[in-house]
Amino acid sequence: DIVMTQSPDSLAVSLGERATINCKSSQSVLNSSRSKDYFAWYQQKPGQPPKLLINWASTRESGVPDRFSGSGSGTDFTLTISSLQAEDVAVYYCQQYYSIPTFGQGTKVELK
Amino acid sequence: EVQLVQSGAEVKKPGESLRISCQGSGYNFGSYWIAWVRQMPGQGLEWMGIIYPGDSDTRYSPSFQGQVTISADRSTSTAFLQWSSLRASDTAMYFCARQSTLTAKMGYWGQGTLVTVSS
Repeated sequence: DIVMTQSPDSLAVSLGERATINCKSSQSVLNSSRSKDYFAWYQQKPGQPPKLLINWASTRESGVPDRFSGSGSGTDFTLTISSLQAEDVAVYYCQQYYSIPTFGQGTKVELK
Repeated sequence: EVQLVQSGAEVKKPGESLRISCQGSGYNFGSYWIAWVRQMPGQGLEWMGIIYPGDSDTRYSPSFQGQVTISADRSTSTAFLQWSSLRASDTAMYFCARQSTLTAKMGYWGQGTLVTVSS
């Protein structure tokens, strides 16, 4: 299995400030023939299912605010929330779907 | 509108059997994979396995192979996750999610089914 490791496990950010979450995969999830990273970010709020935010490492899903952005390729990826809003308090998971899907352990984002 | 609606919460005793369901609507159920994801209390997400209702092609994560059975009924647009003998360690929230291919994002999710196993 491809192991996904997120950092940090939690972070506290003030309203309007930037939040950055990192995710590292144990092997590359880049499909070179398609030039696509098989990688996604999800947001999960208490009592709700996960919500897909970003696909192919950097493609925002329809309806996702543009303060969310994804970057990286190969084995190292980043989710950035450019200006944290109260409704962004949640747990964020990275996922690879290059092989049997696996998720990171989650990063809890709280308000400072 | 694509929707995945899961069956309600269950409380079972160790050793009992259980089948939970996930009914899809708003799309051609037979043309998309349905995956199952476990979330133990206070923990992260674990992909358990997946089925293609079009031909019942089923794959399992090695961690769950032999522990659960995934099936689907195209006539009712429903996927199932089944246990023959529950353990306390099966206590968790279970989500179904739609994937367009085996290697694809999970764009649509069910609301989750809480399974509690306790004597």
